[in-house]
Amino acid sequence: KQEVTQIPAALSVPEGENLVLNCSFTDSAIYNLQWFRQDPGKGLTSLLLIQSSQREQTSGRLNASLDKSSGRSTLYIAASQPGDSATYLCAVRPPPPGGTSYGKLTFGQGTILTVHP
Amino acid sequence: DTGVSQDPRHKITKRGQNVTFRCDPISEHNRLYWYRQTLGQGPEFLTYFQNEAQLEKSRLLSDRFSAERPKGSFSTLEIQRTEQGDSAMYLCASSYTGSLEAFFGQGTRLTVV
Repeated sequence: KQEVTQIPAALSVPEGENLVLNCSFTDSAIYNLQWFRQDPGKGLTSLLLIQSSQREQTSGRLNASLDKSSGRSTLYIAASQPGDSATYLCAVRPPPPGGTSYGKLTFGQGTILTVHP
Repeated sequence: DTGVSQDPRHKITKRGQNVTFRCDPISEHNRLYWYRQTLGQGPEFLTYFQNEAQLEKSRLLSDRFSAERPKGSFSTLEIQRTEQGDSAMYLCASSYTGSLEAFFGQGTRLTVV
């Protein structure tokens, strides 16, 4: 059974710092990995998706890397801002049975990020 | 707004009552998923539809839970005889065949008192 763990559980940093969030998964046979942002009481917003064949993806100040063989991913946030404060979730998708993945995700418990001015 | 829509956003109910939530996926999406998220945890998969067919149900979905997607468009999730342990955020997501990612709604927050 796939298990996803995120470290740290919570992180508080001053504005402007670069930071790294970690995600590990027990079964390296994944189809892809996705990072989400969740604001308090709200749904999930997709940030980055990395296919199993890729090593990293970038979007603006965000960079996500994937080391599938070791079961790890990191989300790097450059020059953090108070507006980045949220819970960050990583999730993995299993490989497609019979050739079609239907997208069932296994999530970590999230990292609560607080960026203070 | 052409995203995934969930209704209601918040629901407070007394223990033992039945509740029903609705999810309207992105219009061209044929796949629909329900997840449940308790406080401080990541979402957990509940069930999945492709068109109107319910193709997988998690063991978390006890017999008090039922989900439908009668015409392959919107979906409903009903919880019968609610218990305090059912208090959670219920999230709906949708995608289309061949897509790499699912898009999530804002969720329905259920509080059972």
